[in-house]
Amino acid sequence: EAQVTQNPRYLITVTGKKLTVTCSQNMNHEYMSWYRQDPGLGLRQIYYSMNVEVTDKGDVPEGYKVSRKEKRNFPLILESPSPNQTSLYFCASSPHRGVNTEAFFGQGTRLTVV
Amino acid sequence: AQSVTQPDIHITVSEGASLELRCNYSYGATPYLFWYVQSPGQGLQLLLKYFSGDTLVQGIKGFEAEFKRSQSSFNLRKPSVHWSDAAEYFCAVGGAPLNQGGKLIFGQGTELSVKP
Repeated sequence: EAQVTQNPRYLITVTGKKLTVTCSQNMNHEYMSWYRQDPGLGLRQIYYSMNVEVTDKGDVPEGYKVSRKEKRNFPLILESPSPNQTSLYFCASSPHRGVNTEAFFGQGTRLTVV
Repeated sequence: AQSVTQPDIHITVSEGASLELRCNYSYGATPYLFWYVQSPGQGLQLLLKYFSGDTLVQGIKGFEAEFKRSQSSFNLRKPSVHWSDAAEYFCAVGGAPLNQGGKLIFGQGTELSVKP
């Protein structure tokens, strides 16, 4: 089954404790991205990757890191999480980077930083 | 700057009634438009998309949307709502520039409640 898989689905952590949210897609998609969803703000792009070893900042990159060492995986790293990073996070992948491509989303990761 | 506005934060309709969710966009070029649905605890599922051609597009679950360039709108409609349609709905536009192709710009979302 074609899918984007995120783990964990739920995570509660303390301020400053490094964490990684994993994302994997099995569709051989070139383009992957991370979004955060906050009430009243919709989804905003954090980082994106157009292919292996090619990543760039989205609209809200502060406090996050990513890497793309393999085509299928695109982990999101919070080196020192803070309470304002409490949010619902989605990983997405697209077949290529054209503006008319559909994005496929993971199930989401609900992160709480206390 | 590109943007998407969903004017209605929350809408309540009775089961069996018709539904229209509004979406307005600001985009400098030909827009590529999407509607996604997010059921509680779930990820986002694509309902329908508009790339070109017929301005009335059909999607899954009985939804349709009409692209109106003159009004910069892409409203989502359903003739008869079912209780299972209760969810949050997001309108999105495919973002430019091309080196950020694949980026989606989302509206704030509209939460739909369905009364029995």
